[in-house]
Amino acid sequence: DARVTQTPRHKVTEMGQEVTMRCQPILGHNTVFWYRQTMMQGLELLAYFRNRAPLDDSGMPKDRFSAEMPDATLATLKIQPSEPRDSAVYFCASGSGLAGLEGEQFFGPGTRLTVL
Amino acid sequence: DAKTTQPPSMDCAEGRAANLPCNHSTISGNEYVYWYRQIHSQGPQYIIHGLKNNETNEMASLIITEDRKSSTLILPHATLRDTAVYYCIVCLYNQGGKLIFGQGTELSVKP
Repeated sequence: DARVTQTPRHKVTEMGQEVTMRCQPILGHNTVFWYRQTMMQGLELLAYFRNRAPLDDSGMPKDRFSAEMPDATLATLKIQPSEPRDSAVYFCASGSGLAGLEGEQFFGPGTRLTVL
Repeated sequence: DAKTTQPPSMDCAEGRAANLPCNHSTISGNEYVYWYRQIHSQGPQYIIHGLKNNETNEMASLIITEDRKSSTLILPHATLRDTAVYYCIVCLYNQGGKLIFGQGTELSVKP
């Protein structure tokens, strides 16, 4: 049963520290998405990639957030320096990218980040 | 991207059909309607999508009006495990799959 995996599942850190979240998309999927969920803002799209190239990162605070895909099996989301307002659940999702199925995305279990 | 409007909450009796409405009156011809759900503390789960024809899969049915301005997700026999937040989203065809989640409908299935 193919699944998106995310590590770590939980992260508690102090303000100012660097945080790295990792995602392994489903093998063969060529689109990867990063979302953030908070009680106040709901689910927000931060950035997404197709064939490892960034398509849109307009939802991401550029000064402290960065997203990359070092290879087809790994996507990373980094926050440096972290702030308490970054506390949220971060979801990674992947999709086949096939025409007509672009919106069919498979979500990982999320990384729950707490910044003290 | 077209916006969607959903009721914030709904109740449904276990074993009955749950009909979740969604309004997307500004949808364009190249936008699909997607439905997702999110069970508490889990990642969202894809349910179904459609362009203009009604669709059915093992999880649900999707009814889209002829003018495409609204749709209804039908869970034919709701169970307690269907309690979740249901999101109706429109997504542009062949544009990368950008999904904009709204507030969704919180469905409570009661025994």
